[in-house]
Amino acid sequence: EAGVVQSPRYKIIEKKQPVAFWCNPISGHNTLYWYRQNLGQGPELLIRYENEEAVDDSQLPKDRFSAERLKGVDSTLKIQPAELGDSAVYLCASSSRGGYNEQFFGPGTRLTVL
Amino acid sequence: QKEVEQDPGPLSVPEGAIVSLNCTYSNSAFQYFMWYRQYSRKGPELLMYTYSSGNKEDGRFTAQVDKSSKYISLFIRDSQPSDSATYLCAFYNQGGKLIFGQGTELSVKP
Repeated sequence: EAGVVQSPRYKIIEKKQPVAFWCNPISGHNTLYWYRQNLGQGPELLIRYENEEAVDDSQLPKDRFSAERLKGVDSTLKIQPAELGDSAVYLCASSSRGGYNEQFFGPGTRLTVL
Repeated sequence: QKEVEQDPGPLSVPEGAIVSLNCTYSNSAFQYFMWYRQYSRKGPELLMYTYSSGNKEDGRFTAQVDKSSKYISLFIRDSQPSDSATYLCAFYNQGGKLIFGQGTELSVKP
């Protein structure tokens, strides 16, 4: 069974530029999560989707971050414009359903903002 | 006060040692307790998952939960160089949100 796929794996951009991350969850997983992991810290939830619906986006900085999950499968997370403080690893995870189930993580996208 | 406290290490032990990793938490409503392992440049992977006080064993790994003290531990017996990774404790809150500790970086030397 294929795991969670993310691309790109690495991205270096200048501040104020836009950037987008893509995630393909495990087949059949209805719940998708985006996390941000700063250096030396644990992941922090940005947004959770149940199928196409964003059910928890309270931690998403909506002035510059946006996300979508069209057709309830793949998802894209966008930052526009990027700031220096956005440098982090952006992790995507999925689970068969919400609640208290195991989450399966992708390898992450390492973003560096110069 | 942070909801979860975890010593970031780094922790360095010789091969074959017993490793003890710990987390404390402040939210008494946490009911589900997990340990994730994260290798460098990889995403976290679930190692242990329990929802009750007491011990749960899986091979060389034992997870211990003490709800009365709000304290969880992960023990690794006969540690191997392949165990070198960052270990993250994690908890589900009442809303189904996963809360992670800071992570402890472990290095097992041959």
